[in-house]
Amino acid sequence: QSVLTQPPSASGTPGQRVTISCSGTSSNIGSHTVNWYQQLPGTAPKLLIDSRNLRSSGVPDRFSASKSGTSASLAISGLQSDDEADYYCAAWDGSLNVVVFGGGTKLTVL
Amino acid sequence: EVQMLESGGGLVQPGGSLRLSCAASGFSFSSYAMSWVRQAPGKGLEWVASIGGTGDTTYYADSGKGRFTISRDNSQNTLFLEMDSLRVEDTAVYYCAKGASQYESKPGDFWGQGTLVTVSS
Repeated sequence: QSVLTQPPSASGTPGQRVTISCSGTSSNIGSHTVNWYQQLPGTAPKLLIDSRNLRSSGVPDRFSASKSGTSASLAISGLQSDDEADYYCAAWDGSLNVVVFGGGTKLTVL
Repeated sequence: EVQMLESGGGLVQPGGSLRLSCAASGFSFSSYAMSWVRQAPGKGLEWVASIGGTGDTTYYADSGKGRFTISRDNSQNTLFLEMDSLRVEDTAVYYCAKGASQYESKPGDFWGQGTLVTVSS
């Protein structure tokens, strides 16, 4: 059971916009910044969007992130087949003094 | 070019020990916190531990507290994870990751390729 809650799966067709949610509490997302990571099949994770809501080098502007209260979201517009991957959110938890991850969302492009 | 190369993984019996290393290059190593993150087969990412840039501050997940020790040698640009009393459930690929600053514990913009640790009798 992950501290941050993500839907286990999401899907969309090419060109669509999909959103992946990440729900936490006041001690993590509610008071600390969120990172988003992408893990393509068989590869190491990579940072997509950092604490300042900035995309990592080479990440297209089709990817964006937002946060409201104790929830965060990753939006992917103009969905492409090579966006198929697992997506994870992570935040610092100030009560537990640990980094907490979401359980991951497997994105399928239909 | 930033590079991080993990080593030290392998097969170990339950109750055994392993020392993982992560050799970093291409950035000012002591200026950044570093983390270990693991991924059990077919499972999601799990943060294991982080250490501040100077090595003075360390944080651990409950799963490894008291069994795992994170450390760093800034003169050798190397991160370590000493793992004792290993359990079957510690079986995973272990990644090292660079933080965004000296104090930022969340894994940041560069990750190693991972080293597999298998705990089995």
